[in-house]
Amino acid sequence: KAGVTQTPRYLIKTRGQQVTLSCSPISGHRSVSWYQQTPGQGLQFLFEYFSETQRNKGNFPGRFSGRQFSNSRSEMNVSTLELGDSALYLCASSPGGGSTEAFFGQGTRLTVV
Amino acid sequence: AQKITQTQPGMFVQEKEAVTLDCTYDTSDQSYGLFWYKQPSSGEMIFLIYQGSYDEQNATEGRYSLNFQKARKSANLVISASQLGDSAMYFCAMRVLLTGGGNKLTFGTGTQLKVEL
Repeated sequence: KAGVTQTPRYLIKTRGQQVTLSCSPISGHRSVSWYQQTPGQGLQFLFEYFSETQRNKGNFPGRFSGRQFSNSRSEMNVSTLELGDSALYLCASSPGGGSTEAFFGQGTRLTVV
Repeated sequence: AQKITQTQPGMFVQEKEAVTLDCTYDTSDQSYGLFWYKQPSSGEMIFLIYQGSYDEQNATEGRYSLNFQKARKSANLVISASQLGDSAMYFCAMRVLLTGGGNKLTFGTGTQLKVEL
């Protein structure tokens, strides 16, 4: 059974650009959540998708957006990148609902210069 | 609001010894779940163990066990027979249900564990 796959693993972007990150959940899992990890703020919740619908969003500006496809794969997009967006972005896969499972991918390390 | 507190920024343990990583939580919800993750320097968040708020027995997974004390709102991770490969950052997290019908994980600040020979 394949795990959670995030691509790309590393990205370097320039301020003002936009970026798209991808997450393929475990087969059969319908919920995908995104988290941002920085040394200063720790792990913060970005948003959660379930069956192609965004159910919840964390306290992030509108530059952060996402979507989920019918095969449960999810993408997140960050527009007009700022230096402070440099972080490790992690996605978590779970079956949905109040699941006892939440498995993470290896993360995408984004550096904004 | 839900909160996870990990008061040990760093811990050292000798190889083959047991170590306890502390985690306390705060929530007014009756139903919640507690997770422990290991994050090596590579960045991947590795699931270790889960405890549900209604589970009466402490969870165990191989060398990992969770010392769940509901009344004290603590969920400490115990690693037995530490190995060099256990050196990593460890995060305690709580699953909270949100009004939109979904849920999210709230994380503590982590404990950096170093296993020594």
